[in-house]
Amino acid sequence: KQEVTQIPAALSVPEGENLVLNCSFTDSAIYNLQWFRQDPGKGLTSLLLIQSSQREQTSGRLNASLDKSSGRSTLYIAASQPGDSATYLCAVVTGNTGKLIFGQGTTLQVKP
Amino acid sequence: SQTIHQWPATLVQPVGSPLSLECTVEGTSNPNLYWYRQAAGRGLQLLFYSVGIGQISSEVPQNLSASRPQDRQFILSSKKLLLSDSGFYLCAWRRDTLNEQYFGPGTRLTVT
Repeated sequence: KQEVTQIPAALSVPEGENLVLNCSFTDSAIYNLQWFRQDPGKGLTSLLLIQSSQREQTSGRLNASLDKSSGRSTLYIAASQPGDSATYLCAVVTGNTGKLIFGQGTTLQVKP
Repeated sequence: SQTIHQWPATLVQPVGSPLSLECTVEGTSNPNLYWYRQAAGRGLQLLFYSVGIGQISSEVPQNLSASRPQDRQFILSSKKLLLSDSGFYLCAWRRDTLNEQYFGPGTRLTVT
């Protein structure tokens, strides 16, 4: 059974700092991995999708990496801003139905 | 471009009352559709998914049901709500397994 873990559960950093969020999964047989952002009371916004054959994806200040063999992904946020404060979720797809298995999330606070 | 709608945005219902939540997707055809629930203090849990009209798969046994009467419409229902049905219900779609999954704005359900 696939399990996804995110560490840390919460993180507080000063503005401008670079930071890394971690995600690990127990079954390396994944189709892809997706990172999301969730603001309080809102739906999920897709940030990055990494296919199982890829090593990383970049979008603006965000860079996500994938090491499928070790069951790990990281989300790197450069030059953090207060507007980055949110909960970040990673999720993997392991079946051909496309359903996502989520981690518990990392709640990020960026202080001005 | 594609958009996903959910309504209502918020709902307060007494225990034992029926439920109907609706989700529609615009700008695509034959999407895979999903219902997730996010309960307080818990992660996102997949409830149902559908790969086509009338095709529904249930992930978790419960007193909820789902239907897909049209290609881009997904409905979550219950005949009698329980207190434990309270939560944030999110609808999502994706074109296929290799593409991103996109989420709607969610419905906040409080059962009193």
